[in-house]
Amino acid sequence: KAGVTQTPRYLIKTRGQQVTLSCSPISGHRSVSWYQQTPGQGLQFLFEYFSETQRNKGNFPGRFSGRQFSNSRSEMNVSTLELGDSALYLCASSLAYQETQYFGPGTRLLVL
Amino acid sequence: AQTVTQSQPEMSVQEAETVTLSCTYDTSESDYYLFWYKQPPSRQMILVIRQEAYKQQNATENRFSVNFQKAAKSFSLKISDSQLGDAAMYFCAYRRYPHGSSNTGKLIFGQGTTLQVKP
Repeated sequence: KAGVTQTPRYLIKTRGQQVTLSCSPISGHRSVSWYQQTPGQGLQFLFEYFSETQRNKGNFPGRFSGRQFSNSRSEMNVSTLELGDSALYLCASSLAYQETQYFGPGTRLLVL
Repeated sequence: AQTVTQSQPEMSVQEAETVTLSCTYDTSESDYYLFWYKQPPSRQMILVIRQEAYKQQNATENRFSVNFQKAAKSFSLKISDSQLGDAAMYFCAYRRYPHGSSNTGKLIFGQGTTLQVKP
């Protein structure tokens, strides 16, 4: 089976812009989670989706949003980008939310 | 709230030797999962090993094994016969056991330990 794929892999944006990141889970996986990784804060949970429903949300401002489609693919959106949003954004998928998560290669976002 | 602590920011080991990475966690729950993930320079997070808290037997996966001490809330990873490809950042992670309406797959990560393998 193909692994979790994330697009784009690299992205450069300027402050104030918005960005959309995409994640395609492993075939058959219905749960998708997003994490932000920064040198200062480490790995932090953003959201979790299962069957198109957001089941859990981390402690991030409302500028961070996400959704999941009927084919389990997920997108996350960050509006009004700030310099501090520069990070590696990791997506993970699992068969269901209680199963082991498998990660994608990440999207590295740089905000200038 | 649950927390995970990795007190060793960096470790090094000689190739073919054994190294142990430490992890402690704090939780008031009795059922949960613990994981070790490896993140090489490519940044792809790779699952190394998983332990269910209700299992007394320590998990083993080839050269990787854990020492799970539930009462002490300790979960260390032992890498035997270290190889150059083991060089990476290792993360310890905690996940609640699903129950009731609070089912979640949310992982809580430690700060990571960078492992250097010397030839």
